[in-house]
Amino acid sequence: SQQGEEDPQALSIQEGENATMNCSYKTSINNLQWYRQNSGRGLVHLILIRSNEREKHSGRLRVTLDTSKKSSSLLITASRAADTASYFCATVPNSGGYQKVTFGTGTKLQVIP
Amino acid sequence: SQTIHQWPATLVQPVGSPLSLECTVEGTSNPNLYWYRQAAGRGLQLLFYSIGIDQISSEVPQNLSASRPQDRQFILSSKKLLLSDSGFYLCAWSSYGQGIRNEKLFFGSGTQLSVL
Repeated sequence: SQQGEEDPQALSIQEGENATMNCSYKTSINNLQWYRQNSGRGLVHLILIRSNEREKHSGRLRVTLDTSKKSSSLLITASRAADTASYFCATVPNSGGYQKVTFGTGTKLQVIP
Repeated sequence: SQTIHQWPATLVQPVGSPLSLECTVEGTSNPNLYWYRQAAGRGLQLLFYSIGIDQISSEVPQNLSASRPQDRQFILSSKKLLLSDSGFYLCAWSSYGQGIRNEKLFFGSGTQLSVL
């Protein structure tokens, strides 16, 4: 079953614009992670935010976490054509089975040059 | 450095045939190992995860099974494939839970399985 639901499902923006993707999840988490997948490839880890953190930055990436709303957002600033990919959130539960990492449905981002 | 190998990259199998997908990790010991399946244009469905040899958790009650014959080897199998088994299969590993705070997953390059 899917733990997370991302929205939008698809997003098309011009190069240079910011891209925001949202993730909602259902159960209590230890941490939430964002991954990127180029078409037909494996996923690559981008950033991890723990349940006691509210915001985290890594380069052009900014992640926020609101545990009261069970939601997270990923912001990519000053997007580039190379950012075109699918983006997934993944959650690690807070109790039992810390190794059980479940993914959301993903947002497909297209950055138009 | 650690690497993960997954093969084959592409597989076309007839309905009712058996399946064996293999994944191996190098450069680490006692990794957590995962099998995910991704339908076309969809999210990842967790199929199995393993925190050690003989410790495999199944998330999906289907005609798939997983085995871990060695510490760094994870195999996904089926005795008889169904049309619905088609998809992109991804193996991944992590080192969480070994006193190392590194929960992120490292993925293989995937196997595109088409059942016809």
